[in-house]
Amino acid sequence: QSALTQPASVSGSPGQSITISCTGTISDIGTYSLVSWYQQHPGKAPKLLIYEDNKRPSGASNRFSGSKSGNTASLTISGLQAEDEAEYFCCSCAGGSMSVVFGGGTKLTVL
Amino acid sequence: QVHLQESGPGLVKPSEALSLTCSVSGDSMRSYYWSWIRQSPGIGLEWIAYISHTGDTNYNPSLKSRVTISVDTSNNQFSLRMNSVIAADTAVYYCARGTIFGVAHDAFDIWGQGTMVNVSS
Repeated sequence: QSALTQPASVSGSPGQSITISCTGTISDIGTYSLVSWYQQHPGKAPKLLIYEDNKRPSGASNRFSGSKSGNTASLTISGLQAEDEAEYFCCSCAGGSMSVVFGGGTKLTVL
Repeated sequence: QVHLQESGPGLVKPSEALSLTCSVSGDSMRSYYWSWIRQSPGIGLEWIAYISHTGDTNYNPSLKSRVTISVDTSNNQFSLRMNSVIAADTAVYYCARGTIFGVAHDAFDIWGQGTMVNVSS
């Protein structure tokens, strides 16, 4: 299984919206509606933001939204805030064995 | 409130085995998959394996030959053993709870704080 592909970095100014892409294959994102997204601040454990492509767990901010088209999933953060500066990872169920694969991570800088 | 706590040695010698345990408090281990995930310094996340409360397992194909995951539901714990470690196995190791969709792994909704393991002589 190969890691999902994310851009290494994105940036945006406070108040703006940004989108992070996560590209997989027909064997993972293209087959399963099980993409999840995580936010990780330095030295901390990841935190779940989105599951099942576009659902938010209780307690997650509605400024985070997920979508998917074909083999690519996306995370959009609206109304950027300084506290959003972190690394973001996508994840998907993968392959016939239904294993798990992560993206390489995207570092978000709030300018 | 569910809490996960990793425990194990912080230093392991090359070629030896790494053993970690995750203690689960605040909920039953039923109805979830329980995973180990690692993160090498400056690198992204790598899923290692998961196990159900009944002992059903799934492994990352790239690590399967060296890894064993086990569960002890009577003590609300699950464990990881990785054989023949090398320097590249140096990482922060997290345990995490995974929700289930049908029979597939859905998302990691609860994470431990992580434990750093260094492989060095």
